[in-house]
Amino acid sequence: GAVVSQHPSWVICKSGTSVKIECRSLDFQATTMFWYRQFPKQSLMLMATSNEGSKATYEQGVEKDKFLINHASLTLSTLTVTSAHPEDSSFYICSARASGRGGYGYTFGSGTRLTVV
Amino acid sequence: DAKTTQPPSMDCAEGRAANLPCNHSTISGNEYVYWYRQIHSQGPQYIIHGLKNNETNEMASLIITEDRKSSTLILPHATLRDTAVYYCIVRPVLQGGSEKLVFGKGTKLTVNP
Repeated sequence: GAVVSQHPSWVICKSGTSVKIECRSLDFQATTMFWYRQFPKQSLMLMATSNEGSKATYEQGVEKDKFLINHASLTLSTLTVTSAHPEDSSFYICSARASGRGGYGYTFGSGTRLTVV
Repeated sequence: DAKTTQPPSMDCAEGRAANLPCNHSTISGNEYVYWYRQIHSQGPQYIIHGLKNNETNEMASLIITEDRKSSTLILPHATLRDTAVYYCIVRPVLQGGSEKLVFGKGTKLTVNP
């Protein structure tokens, strides 16, 4: 159980365009999802916490108008990178925690490799 | 900021036990110790977690010192597929499900043939 599906697994886009990444909890409901970004040879950096039915909470230094997060249902959160630029190229990973699960309840998606050209 | 300190890299021979240390000297009484690992270009994978007592599951064992200021993850018989970056994370025991996991730099474990 506890599978998180992330789509797409990789995407290449032109500079100035927007890209949407989906994160779905397949067999559980997730009131909270988390979005991370990882640059090469670095650790995961938390970008924002996505709460179902409410606004996301962004970490310091993360532009909320550039990284739009929507958590419209208990099984889906989306991250939209708006007006992407080459410096936004990174590995984006989502995580979800099932309501009521124990401490091991954080499940991660397989990540999305974004390349902006 | 991450509240843990880990060695940047370690090597282990295939078939031997891999012991990965983690220092969390500022841990609070209401914080869990979690271990995750990340194989290259994949999402992190849960390994084990604990609060006070030592824990064991099918993947690994977690040894937490009595003062809880450090812990060791033990992979009893390392295989080549265990080569990954291992992250030790502390997280408060809170309700609601919104508690975030903050990753440090982790330990790059290389299992050698």
